[in-house]
Amino acid sequence: GNSVTQMEGPVTLSEEAFLTINCTYTATGYPSLFWYVQYPGEGLQLLLKATKADDKGSNKGFEATYRKETTSFHLEKGSVQVSDSAVYFCALGRGTGNQFYFGTGTSLTVIP
Amino acid sequence: GAGVSQSPSNKVTEKGKDVELRCDPISGHTALYWYRQSLGQGLEFLIYFQGNSAPDKSGLPSDRFSAERTGGSVSTLTIQRTQQEDSAVYLCASSDYRTTDTQYFGPGTRLTVL
Repeated sequence: GNSVTQMEGPVTLSEEAFLTINCTYTATGYPSLFWYVQYPGEGLQLLLKATKADDKGSNKGFEATYRKETTSFHLEKGSVQVSDSAVYFCALGRGTGNQFYFGTGTSLTVIP
Repeated sequence: GAGVSQSPSNKVTEKGKDVELRCDPISGHTALYWYRQSLGQGLEFLIYFQGNSAPDKSGLPSDRFSAERTGGSVSTLTIQRTQQEDSAVYLCASSDYRTTDTQYFGPGTRLTVL
Protein backbone atom coordinates (compact mmCIF):
# COMPACT_ATOMS: atom_id res chain seq x y z
CA GLY A 1 0.00 0.00 0.00
CA ASN A 2 0.86 3.66 0.12
CA SER A 3 2.05 5.37 3.27
CA VAL A 4 4.26 8.12 4.57
CA THR A 5 6.29 8.00 7.75
CA GLN A 6 7.41 11.30 9.11
CA MET A 7 9.78 12.31 11.86
CA GLU A 8 7.89 12.92 15.06
CA GLY A 9 8.08 16.25 16.76
CA PRO A 10 7.90 18.63 18.22
CA VAL A 11 11.17 20.11 17.08
CA THR A 12 12.59 23.22 18.72
CA LEU A 13 15.54 25.02 17.17
CA SER A 14 17.35 28.27 17.70
CA GLU A 15 17.27 30.84 14.94
CA GLU A 16 19.86 30.16 12.21
CA ALA A 17 20.13 26.48 13.11
CA PHE A 18 20.10 23.75 10.46
CA LEU A 19 16.83 21.91 9.99
CA THR A 20 16.18 18.36 8.86
CA ILE A 21 12.76 16.72 8.99
CA ASN A 22 12.85 13.10 7.89
CA CYS A 23 10.24 11.59 5.61
CA THR A 24 10.15 8.11 4.13
CA TYR A 25 7.46 6.56 2.00
CA THR A 26 6.07 3.28 0.79
CA ALA A 27 4.47 3.16 -2.63
CA THR A 28 4.22 1.15 -5.78
CA GLY A 29 5.27 2.78 -8.98
CA TYR A 30 6.49 6.34 -9.15
CA PRO A 31 4.67 8.71 -6.86
CA SER A 32 5.07 12.47 -6.61
CA LEU A 33 6.27 13.76 -3.26
CA PHE A 34 5.29 16.97 -1.53
CA TRP A 35 5.98 19.05 1.53
CA TYR A 36 3.13 21.19 2.81
CA VAL A 37 3.37 23.76 5.60
CA GLN A 38 0.64 24.85 7.98
CA TYR A 39 1.25 28.13 9.77
CA PRO A 40 -0.68 28.78 12.98
CA GLY A 41 -4.35 29.38 12.26
CA GLU A 42 -3.97 28.83 8.52
CA GLY A 43 -4.58 26.09 5.98
CA LEU A 44 -2.01 23.90 4.29
CA GLN A 45 0.23 25.58 1.77
CA LEU A 46 2.37 23.81 -0.78
CA LEU A 47 6.02 24.31 0.14
CA LEU A 48 7.73 22.23 -2.52
CA LYS A 49 7.34 19.13 -4.64
CA ALA A 50 9.27 16.62 -6.71
CA THR A 51 7.78 14.37 -9.33
CA LYS A 52 10.52 11.88 -10.13
CA ALA A 53 13.61 10.28 -8.69
CA ASP A 54 16.59 12.58 -8.06
CA ASP A 55 14.46 15.70 -8.53
CA LYS A 56 15.09 18.40 -5.97
CA GLY A 57 12.23 20.61 -4.89
CA SER A 58 13.08 23.97 -3.38
CA ASN A 59 11.28 27.04 -2.08
CA LYS A 60 11.91 29.75 0.54
CA GLY A 61 15.31 28.24 1.38
CA PHE A 62 13.86 24.77 1.96
CA GLU A 63 14.99 21.82 -0.11
CA ALA A 64 14.10 18.15 -0.46
CA THR A 65 15.48 15.53 -2.83
CA TYR A 66 13.43 12.58 -4.08
CA ARG A 67 15.57 9.52 -3.26
CA LYS A 68 14.12 6.38 -4.75
CA GLU A 69 16.89 4.13 -3.47
CA THR A 70 16.15 5.08 0.14
CA THR A 71 12.46 5.93 -0.44
CA SER A 72 13.00 9.24 1.27
CA PHE A 73 12.17 12.92 0.82
CA HIS A 74 13.81 14.68 3.75
CA LEU A 75 13.18 18.39 4.21
CA GLU A 76 16.19 20.61 4.92
CA LYS A 77 16.92 24.27 5.50
CA GLY A 78 20.32 25.70 6.23
CA SER A 79 19.28 28.52 8.52
CA VAL A 80 15.82 28.63 10.05
CA GLN A 81 14.00 31.79 11.06
CA VAL A 82 11.36 32.43 13.68
CA SER A 83 8.85 32.83 10.86
CA ASP A 84 9.43 29.19 9.86
CA SER A 85 7.61 28.05 12.99
CA ALA A 86 4.80 25.87 11.67
CA VAL A 87 3.68 22.28 11.17
CA TYR A 88 5.25 20.52 8.20
CA PHE A 89 3.55 17.65 6.39
CA CYS A 90 5.14 15.22 3.98
CA ALA A 91 2.73 13.81 1.39
CA LEU A 92 2.68 11.27 -1.41
CA GLY A 93 0.57 11.62 -4.53
CA ARG A 94 -0.25 8.86 -6.98
CA GLY A 95 -0.92 10.98 -10.00
CA THR A 96 -3.70 13.30 -10.97
CA GLY A 97 -7.08 12.51 -9.59
CA ASN A 98 -5.93 10.46 -6.64
CA GLN A 99 -5.90 11.17 -2.95
CA PHE A 100 -2.78 12.23 -1.12
CA TYR A 101 -1.25 10.17 1.66
CA PHE A 102 0.04 12.37 4.45
CA GLY A 103 2.47 11.94 7.26
CA THR A 104 1.36 12.89 10.75
CA GLY A 105 3.08 16.27 10.61
CA THR A 106 6.09 17.69 12.44
CA SER A 107 5.71 20.78 14.56
CA LEU A 108 8.66 23.16 14.36
CA THR A 109 9.26 26.01 16.77
CA VAL A 110 12.14 28.39 16.13
CA ILE A 111 13.21 30.52 19.07
CA PRO A 112 15.14 33.77 18.75
CA GLY B 1 -6.99 34.37 -8.37
CA ALA B 2 -9.02 33.34 -5.37
CA GLY B 3 -8.02 30.23 -3.50
CA VAL B 4 -10.15 27.48 -2.02
CA SER B 5 -12.65 28.85 0.46
CA GLN B 6 -14.54 27.02 3.18
CA SER B 7 -17.38 27.96 5.46
CA PRO B 8 -18.00 28.22 8.26
CA SER B 9 -14.52 28.60 9.69
CA ASN B 10 -15.72 27.31 13.03
CA LYS B 11 -18.74 25.25 13.96
CA VAL B 12 -19.82 24.19 17.41
CA THR B 13 -22.68 21.76 17.63
CA GLU B 14 -24.34 19.43 20.06
CA LYS B 15 -24.01 15.70 19.88
CA GLY B 16 -26.72 14.21 17.67
CA LYS B 17 -27.21 17.29 15.48
CA ASP B 18 -26.52 17.37 11.74
CA VAL B 19 -23.94 19.74 10.27
CA GLU B 20 -23.11 20.93 6.76
CA LEU B 21 -19.68 22.14 5.73
CA ARG B 22 -19.16 24.02 2.50
CA CYS B 23 -16.24 24.18 0.09
CA ASP B 24 -15.72 26.49 -2.87
CA PRO B 25 -12.85 25.21 -5.02
CA ILE B 26 -10.55 27.25 -7.20
CA SER B 27 -12.37 28.26 -10.35
CA GLY B 28 -11.74 25.78 -13.14
CA HIS B 29 -10.48 23.01 -10.90
CA THR B 30 -12.37 19.84 -11.70
CA ALA B 31 -11.06 17.70 -8.85
CA LEU B 32 -12.19 18.27 -5.25
CA TYR B 33 -11.11 16.43 -2.12
CA TRP B 34 -12.21 16.35 1.51
CA TYR B 35 -9.82 15.44 4.32
CA ARG B 36 -10.12 15.35 8.08
CA GLN B 37 -7.40 16.48 10.46
CA SER B 38 -7.87 15.21 13.98
CA LEU B 39 -5.87 16.40 16.97
CA GLY B 40 -2.47 14.74 17.01
CA GLN B 41 -3.05 12.92 13.75
CA GLY B 42 -2.29 13.50 10.15
CA LEU B 43 -4.73 14.14 7.38
CA GLU B 44 -7.26 11.45 6.68
CA PHE B 45 -8.77 11.23 3.21
CA LEU B 46 -12.57 11.24 3.15
CA ILE B 47 -13.92 11.63 -0.39
CA TYR B 48 -12.90 12.73 -3.87
CA PHE B 49 -14.90 14.20 -6.75
CA GLN B 50 -13.72 14.38 -10.34
CA GLY B 51 -15.93 16.03 -12.93
CA ASN B 52 -19.12 14.10 -13.50
CA SER B 53 -17.66 10.77 -12.45
CA ALA B 54 -18.96 8.88 -9.46
CA PRO B 55 -17.13 10.10 -6.34
CA ASP B 56 -14.53 8.00 -4.56
CA LYS B 57 -16.11 7.56 -1.13
CA SER B 58 -13.63 5.03 0.14
CA GLY B 59 -12.43 7.22 3.01
CA LEU B 60 -15.76 8.06 4.60
CA PRO B 61 -15.64 6.65 8.15
CA SER B 62 -19.32 5.81 8.46
CA ASP B 63 -22.67 6.17 6.71
CA ARG B 64 -23.31 9.30 8.80
CA PHE B 65 -20.93 11.08 6.45
CA SER B 66 -21.97 12.12 2.95
CA ALA B 67 -20.94 14.71 0.42
CA GLU B 68 -22.21 16.16 -2.78
CA ARG B 69 -20.88 18.45 -5.42
CA THR B 70 -23.35 20.57 -7.35
CA GLY B 71 -22.68 21.81 -10.84
CA GLY B 72 -19.13 20.55 -10.73
CA SER B 73 -18.13 23.32 -8.36
CA VAL B 74 -19.29 23.86 -4.77
CA SER B 75 -19.26 20.87 -2.46
CA THR B 76 -21.07 20.21 0.80
CA LEU B 77 -19.94 17.67 3.38
CA THR B 78 -22.78 16.57 5.66
CA ILE B 79 -22.35 14.79 8.95
CA GLN B 80 -25.53 13.39 10.43
CA ARG B 81 -26.10 12.66 14.12
CA THR B 82 -22.71 14.08 15.06
CA GLN B 83 -20.60 12.34 17.67
CA GLN B 84 -17.80 13.75 19.80
CA GLU B 85 -15.23 11.79 17.84
CA ASP B 86 -16.24 13.78 14.75
CA SER B 87 -14.56 16.84 16.28
CA ALA B 88 -11.73 17.77 13.91
CA VAL B 89 -10.66 20.23 11.26
CA TYR B 90 -12.23 19.41 7.91
CA LEU B 91 -10.10 20.44 4.97
CA CYS B 92 -11.10 20.79 1.36
CA ALA B 93 -8.65 20.79 -1.53
CA SER B 94 -8.96 21.19 -5.27
CA SER B 95 -6.73 20.51 -8.24
CA ASP B 96 -6.70 20.88 -11.99
CA TYR B 97 -6.15 17.23 -12.71
CA ARG B 98 -5.49 17.87 -16.39
CA THR B 99 -2.21 19.64 -15.71
CA THR B 100 -0.92 18.76 -12.26
CA ASP B 101 -1.42 16.55 -9.25
CA THR B 102 -0.79 19.41 -6.84
CA GLN B 103 -3.69 19.94 -4.45
CA TYR B 104 -4.55 23.39 -3.11
CA PHE B 105 -6.11 23.52 0.32
CA GLY B 106 -8.67 25.75 1.92
CA PRO B 107 -8.33 27.12 5.46
CA GLY B 108 -10.52 24.40 6.92
CA THR B 109 -13.60 24.23 9.12
CA ARG B 110 -13.00 23.47 12.78
CA LEU B 111 -15.87 21.33 14.02
CA THR B 112 -16.44 20.90 17.74
CA VAL B 113 -19.09 18.46 18.91
CA LEU B 114 -20.11 18.98 22.52
